[in-house]
Amino acid sequence: GQQVMQIPQYQHVQEGEDFTTYCNSSTTLSNIQWYKQRPGGHPVFLIQLVKSGEVKKQKRLTFQFGEAKKNSSLHITATQTTDVGTYFCAGQAGTASKLTFGTGTRLQVTL
Amino acid sequence: GAVVSQHPSWVICKSGTSVKIECRSLDFQATTMFWYRQFPKQSLMLMATSNEGSKATYEQGVEKDKFLINHASLTLSTLTVTSAHPEDSSFYICSASREGGFSYEQYFGPGTRLTVT
Repeated sequence: GQQVMQIPQYQHVQEGEDFTTYCNSSTTLSNIQWYKQRPGGHPVFLIQLVKSGEVKKQKRLTFQFGEAKKNSSLHITATQTTDVGTYFCAGQAGTASKLTFGTGTRLQVTL
Repeated sequence: GAVVSQHPSWVICKSGTSVKIECRSLDFQATTMFWYRQFPKQSLMLMATSNEGSKATYEQGVEKDKFLINHASLTLSTLTVTSAHPEDSSFYICSASREGGFSYEQYFGPGTRLTVT
Protein backbone atom coordinates (compact mmCIF):
# COMPACT_ATOMS: atom_id res chain seq x y z
CA GLY A 1 0.00 0.00 0.00
CA GLN A 2 0.89 3.65 -0.13
CA GLN A 3 3.60 4.75 2.27
CA VAL A 4 4.59 8.26 3.24
CA MET A 5 7.88 8.77 5.01
CA GLN A 6 9.25 11.89 6.62
CA ILE A 7 12.74 12.84 7.62
CA PRO A 8 14.05 13.68 10.05
CA GLN A 9 12.03 11.98 12.79
CA TYR A 10 13.13 14.58 15.28
CA GLN A 11 15.00 17.85 15.19
CA HIS A 12 16.11 20.12 17.98
CA VAL A 13 17.02 23.68 17.02
CA GLN A 14 17.77 26.88 18.80
CA GLU A 15 15.33 29.70 18.38
CA GLY A 16 16.17 31.66 15.27
CA GLU A 17 17.57 28.71 13.34
CA ASP A 18 15.86 27.37 10.25
CA PHE A 19 14.13 24.00 10.04
CA THR A 20 13.14 21.74 7.16
CA THR A 21 11.18 18.51 7.06
CA TYR A 22 10.98 16.32 3.98
CA CYS A 23 8.12 14.10 2.93
CA ASN A 24 8.35 11.25 0.40
CA SER A 25 5.52 9.16 -0.96
CA SER A 26 5.84 5.73 -2.52
CA THR A 27 3.17 6.67 -5.06
CA THR A 28 2.22 9.75 -7.06
CA LEU A 29 -0.15 12.02 -5.18
CA SER A 30 -3.06 14.14 -6.32
CA ASN A 31 -2.44 16.52 -3.48
CA ILE A 32 -0.49 16.82 -0.27
CA GLN A 33 -1.51 18.45 2.96
CA TRP A 34 0.50 19.56 5.95
CA TYR A 35 -0.62 19.47 9.56
CA LYS A 36 0.84 20.61 12.85
CA GLN A 37 0.14 18.81 16.07
CA ARG A 38 1.11 20.41 19.35
CA PRO A 39 1.96 18.12 22.26
CA GLY A 40 -1.30 16.74 23.66
CA GLY A 41 -3.32 18.29 20.85
CA HIS A 42 -4.88 17.21 17.59
CA PRO A 43 -3.63 17.81 14.06
CA VAL A 44 -4.35 21.26 12.72
CA PHE A 45 -4.48 21.84 8.99
CA LEU A 46 -1.79 24.15 7.67
CA ILE A 47 -1.96 24.02 3.90
CA GLN A 48 -2.70 21.98 0.80
CA LEU A 49 -0.62 21.71 -2.36
CA VAL A 50 -2.13 20.43 -5.56
CA LYS A 51 -0.01 21.43 -8.52
CA SER A 52 3.29 19.93 -9.59
CA GLY A 53 6.15 22.16 -8.44
CA GLU A 54 3.85 24.35 -6.39
CA VAL A 55 5.33 26.61 -3.74
CA LYS A 56 3.24 28.31 -1.09
CA LYS A 57 4.24 30.58 1.74
CA GLN A 58 2.61 31.35 5.05
CA LYS A 59 4.64 33.96 6.90
CA ARG A 60 7.80 32.07 7.96
CA LEU A 61 6.62 28.74 6.52
CA THR A 62 7.37 27.69 2.95
CA PHE A 63 5.80 24.60 1.44
CA GLN A 64 6.87 22.88 -1.77
CA PHE A 65 5.36 20.11 -3.83
CA GLY A 66 7.76 18.19 -6.02
CA GLU A 67 7.61 18.14 -9.81
CA ALA A 68 6.78 14.44 -9.79
CA LYS A 69 4.14 14.96 -7.08
CA LYS A 70 5.77 12.33 -4.89
CA ASN A 71 7.59 14.53 -2.44
CA SER A 72 7.14 17.71 -0.50
CA SER A 73 8.94 19.86 2.01
CA LEU A 74 8.15 22.33 4.74
CA HIS A 75 10.72 24.95 5.63
CA ILE A 76 10.45 27.23 8.64
CA THR A 77 12.63 30.32 8.68
CA ALA A 78 13.89 31.67 11.99
CA THR A 79 12.07 29.25 14.24
CA GLN A 80 10.28 30.40 17.36
CA THR A 81 9.30 28.47 20.47
CA THR A 82 5.70 28.56 19.24
CA ASP A 83 6.76 26.35 16.32
CA VAL A 84 7.24 23.40 18.68
CA GLY A 85 5.20 20.37 17.71
CA THR A 86 5.04 17.50 15.28
CA TYR A 87 4.61 18.27 11.61
CA PHE A 88 2.84 15.72 9.47
CA CYS A 89 2.43 15.61 5.74
CA ALA A 90 -0.55 13.69 4.43
CA GLY A 91 -1.10 12.63 0.86
CA GLN A 92 -4.02 11.59 -1.26
CA ALA A 93 -3.54 9.38 -4.28
CA GLY A 94 -6.86 10.40 -5.83
CA THR A 95 -9.16 13.36 -5.32
CA ALA A 96 -11.64 11.36 -3.28
CA SER A 97 -9.38 8.84 -1.65
CA LYS A 98 -8.17 8.52 1.89
CA LEU A 99 -5.38 10.57 3.42
CA THR A 100 -2.19 8.72 4.24
CA PHE A 101 -0.26 10.46 6.95
CA GLY A 102 3.49 10.65 6.97
CA THR A 103 5.56 9.44 9.88
CA GLY A 104 5.92 12.97 11.23
CA THR A 105 8.81 15.19 12.28
CA ARG A 106 8.94 16.37 15.86
CA LEU A 107 10.42 19.82 16.24
CA GLN A 108 11.85 21.07 19.49
CA VAL A 109 12.91 24.71 19.77
CA THR A 110 14.88 26.05 22.68
CA LEU A 111 16.01 29.54 23.58
CA GLY B 1 -17.01 27.33 9.56
CA ALA B 2 -16.17 23.60 9.22
CA VAL B 3 -16.02 22.72 12.89
CA VAL B 4 -15.90 19.11 14.05
CA SER B 5 -16.48 18.13 17.65
CA GLN B 6 -15.84 14.89 19.49
CA HIS B 7 -17.31 13.59 22.68
CA PRO B 8 -16.00 12.66 25.12
CA SER B 9 -12.61 14.35 24.99
CA TRP B 10 -11.22 11.69 27.28
CA VAL B 11 -12.53 8.50 28.83
CA ILE B 12 -11.27 5.85 31.20
CA CYS B 13 -12.94 2.47 31.16
CA LYS B 14 -12.39 -0.97 32.57
CA SER B 15 -11.20 -3.86 30.49
CA GLY B 16 -14.07 -5.72 28.88
CA THR B 17 -16.47 -2.79 28.71
CA SER B 18 -17.55 -0.88 25.60
CA VAL B 19 -17.00 2.78 24.88
CA LYS B 20 -18.81 4.99 22.37
CA ILE B 21 -17.17 8.04 20.85
CA GLU B 22 -19.21 10.62 18.95
CA CYS B 23 -18.01 12.77 16.09
CA ARG B 24 -20.18 15.66 14.95
CA SER B 25 -19.86 18.20 12.18
CA LEU B 26 -21.32 21.30 13.79
CA ASP B 27 -21.84 23.70 10.91
CA PHE B 28 -21.76 21.60 7.78
CA GLN B 29 -23.02 18.34 6.39
CA ALA B 30 -20.38 15.67 6.15
CA THR B 31 -20.59 13.29 3.24
CA THR B 32 -17.75 11.20 4.58
CA MET B 33 -16.24 10.77 8.01
CA PHE B 34 -12.94 9.17 8.83
CA TRP B 35 -11.70 7.56 12.03
CA TYR B 36 -8.03 7.57 12.94
CA ARG B 37 -6.05 6.13 15.81
CA GLN B 38 -2.82 7.57 17.10
CA PHE B 39 -0.53 5.85 19.57
CA PRO B 40 1.95 7.97 21.58
CA LYS B 41 4.65 9.54 19.44
CA GLN B 42 3.32 7.87 16.33
CA SER B 43 1.49 9.01 13.25
CA LEU B 44 -2.24 8.91 12.58
CA MET B 45 -3.43 5.59 11.21
CA LEU B 46 -6.70 5.48 9.33
CA MET B 47 -9.05 2.91 10.81
CA ALA B 48 -12.12 3.29 8.66
CA THR B 49 -14.06 5.50 6.30
CA SER B 50 -17.79 5.92 6.69
CA ASN B 51 -20.46 7.42 4.48
CA GLU B 52 -23.89 8.37 5.75
CA GLY B 53 -26.33 5.51 5.51
CA SER B 54 -23.88 2.87 4.37
CA LYS B 55 -21.48 0.44 5.97
CA ALA B 56 -18.04 1.66 6.90
CA THR B 57 -14.98 0.61 4.96
CA TYR B 58 -12.31 -0.67 7.30
CA GLU B 59 -8.58 -0.58 6.70
CA GLN B 60 -6.63 -3.78 6.63
CA GLY B 61 -5.94 -5.10 10.11
CA VAL B 62 -8.80 -3.22 11.79
CA GLU B 63 -11.42 -5.55 13.28
CA LYS B 64 -14.84 -4.35 12.21
CA ASP B 65 -16.56 -6.37 14.92
CA LYS B 66 -14.46 -4.70 17.57
CA PHE B 67 -14.63 -1.15 16.25
CA LEU B 68 -18.24 -0.53 15.34
CA ILE B 69 -18.88 2.53 13.23
CA ASN B 70 -22.28 4.04 12.65
CA HIS B 71 -22.79 7.05 10.39
CA ALA B 72 -26.44 7.69 11.13
CA SER B 73 -26.75 11.18 9.71
CA LEU B 74 -24.83 13.76 7.70
CA THR B 75 -23.62 15.34 10.94
CA LEU B 76 -22.94 12.40 13.22
CA SER B 77 -20.72 9.35 13.22
CA THR B 78 -20.01 7.13 16.19
CA LEU B 79 -17.20 4.72 16.95
CA THR B 80 -17.84 2.05 19.54
CA VAL B 81 -14.89 0.16 20.94
CA THR B 82 -16.36 -3.13 22.09
CA SER B 83 -14.83 -5.27 24.82
CA ALA B 84 -12.01 -2.81 25.25
CA HIS B 85 -8.59 -3.99 26.36
CA PRO B 86 -5.55 -2.04 27.55
CA GLU B 87 -3.96 -2.30 24.10
CA ASP B 88 -6.93 -0.29 22.74
CA SER B 89 -5.79 2.68 24.80
CA SER B 90 -5.05 5.37 22.26
CA PHE B 91 -5.99 8.76 20.89
CA TYR B 92 -8.95 8.44 18.52
CA ILE B 93 -9.51 11.27 16.05
CA CYS B 94 -12.28 11.73 13.54
CA SER B 95 -12.39 13.94 10.49
CA ALA B 96 -15.08 14.90 8.03
CA SER B 97 -15.35 15.94 4.41
CA ARG B 98 -17.88 18.61 3.62
CA GLU B 99 -20.75 17.98 1.26
CA GLY B 100 -20.41 20.33 -1.66
CA GLY B 101 -16.84 21.14 -0.83
CA PHE B 102 -13.63 19.79 -2.28
CA SER B 103 -13.47 16.10 -1.60
CA TYR B 104 -9.87 16.35 -0.50
CA GLU B 105 -10.55 18.71 2.39
CA GLN B 106 -10.86 17.05 5.76
CA TYR B 107 -11.70 18.79 9.00
CA PHE B 108 -10.42 17.16 12.16
CA GLY B 109 -12.05 16.85 15.52
CA PRO B 110 -10.13 17.50 18.74
CA GLY B 111 -9.73 13.79 19.47
CA THR B 112 -10.72 11.43 22.26
CA ARG B 113 -8.14 9.96 24.57
CA LEU B 114 -9.16 6.47 25.64
CA THR B 115 -7.51 4.72 28.56
CA VAL B 116 -8.48 1.14 29.30
CA THR B 117 -7.51 -0.14 32.74
